Amino acid sequence: EAQVTQNPRYLITVTGKKLTVTCSQNMNHEYMSWYRQDPGLGLRQIYYSMNVEVTDKGDVPEGYKVSRKEKRNFPLILESPSPNQTSLYFCASSLGTSGYEQYFGPGTRLTVT
Amino acid sequence: DAKTTQPNSMESNEEEPVHLPCNHSTISGTDYIHWYRQLPSQGPEYVIHGLTSNVNNRMASLAIAEDRKSSTLILHRATLRDAAVYYCILRPPPTGNQFYFGTGTSLTVIP
Repeated sequence: EAQVTQNPRYLITVTGKKLTVTCSQNMNHEYMSWYRQDPGLGLRQIYYSMNVEVTDKGDVPEGYKVSRKEKRNFPLILESPSPNQTSLYFCASSLGTSGYEQYFGPGTRLTVT
Repeated sequence: DAKTTQPNSMESNEEEPVHLPCNHSTISGTDYIHWYRQLPSQGPEYVIHGLTSNVNNRMASLAIAEDRKSSTLILHRATLRDAAVYYCILRPPPTGNQFYFGTGTSLTVIP
């Protein structure tokens, strides 16, 4: 089954404790992206990747890192999480950009205390 | 950055057609118009997209104005399962890869 998976689905952590949220897709998609969703703000793009070893900042990249060493994986790294990064995070992938649909993962709910 | 404007909320009766509007007055000639929806407690899912011509698929129809400054997502017969937040997004060509979702339109379907 074609899908985007994220782990963990739920995470509660403390300020400053490094964490990684994994994202994997099995569709051989070149484009992958991370979003965060906050009440009243909709979905905002954090980082995206056009292909292996190619990443770029989205709207809200501060406090986040990403890497794309393999085509199927696109982990989101929070080196020193802060409470303002408490949010619902979605990973997405697509075959290309403009004319292609994005497939979204189920989401990761992160709480930073 | 090309942005879109949508009403915050809309209501529809079950089994009636729904027309969800979107304004994108700053659209460029190469921006694709995408629609996604997000059901409660789920990730967004693709609905439809188009460039210039009207488009139909099994989920919905997309009507694009001749000047491309607005578009309308049409759900032909609303069901309770269609209650969701609908996002209209402009997707630029490969030189601009950011994807702006905005806050969307929350659709309520009344039984």
